[in-house]
Amino acid sequence: NAGVTQTPKFQVLKTGQSMTLQCAQDMNHEYMSWYRQDPGMGLRLIHYSVGAGITDQGEVPNGYNVSRSTTEDFPLRLLSAAPSQTSVYFCASSYLQGLGLYGYTFGSGTRLTVV
Amino acid sequence: AQTVTQSQPEMSVQEAETVTLSCTYDTSESDYYLFWYKQPPSRQMILVIRQEAYKQQNATENRFSVNFQKAAKSFSLKISDSQLGDAAMYFCAYRSARSGTYKYIFGTGTRLKVLA
Repeated sequence: NAGVTQTPKFQVLKTGQSMTLQCAQDMNHEYMSWYRQDPGMGLRLIHYSVGAGITDQGEVPNGYNVSRSTTEDFPLRLLSAAPSQTSVYFCASSYLQGLGLYGYTFGSGTRLTVV
Repeated sequence: AQTVTQSQPEMSVQEAETVTLSCTYDTSESDYYLFWYKQPPSRQMILVIRQEAYKQQNATENRFSVNFQKAAKSFSLKISDSQLGDAAMYFCAYRSARSGTYKYIFGTGTRLKVLA
């Protein structure tokens, strides 16, 4: 089925460990983004990309890195995990124009716990 | 900068009744898009309805409709004939229509409980 695939669905990390959250879409969407969802704070944008080789920071980028080597993939890297990064992470994609007006397609989320 | 405010952290509705979720936003732009997303316990975010700011007519999708008041910067979601499956978090979101701007801004969400 076409859509946004996120892996893993759950992850527990120790403080200081690094890891990569994977995101892949097969809809040829130019725009991809990462959000974190925390109780009472809604969804906050971490990083986004408008195409291969182009990335930019969102509202809460510290502690995270991204790259976009292909249209399909947009991995999020945690360099040195901290308890403050305990959250649910969503990858979302859309067209830049036209059908992008129909909104994001979201992945199913990754629940990350840092102990 | 644009902001989106959902002032109701939690709402309850009796099954088969109607409920309205509130959303206000702040922007200096005249052209933009507004969305309501539903997040059930499965965590998957699902688009419920969208509205283009240049359209005066309120969007409707089956039992879901919006009351879009552009001058008041208000975008409420009405759910008619509420069903148990409507229980979820609902997020309001704003997207500028300005060229080169693609980010969505989300509110903090309203948790809807449906009582049998």
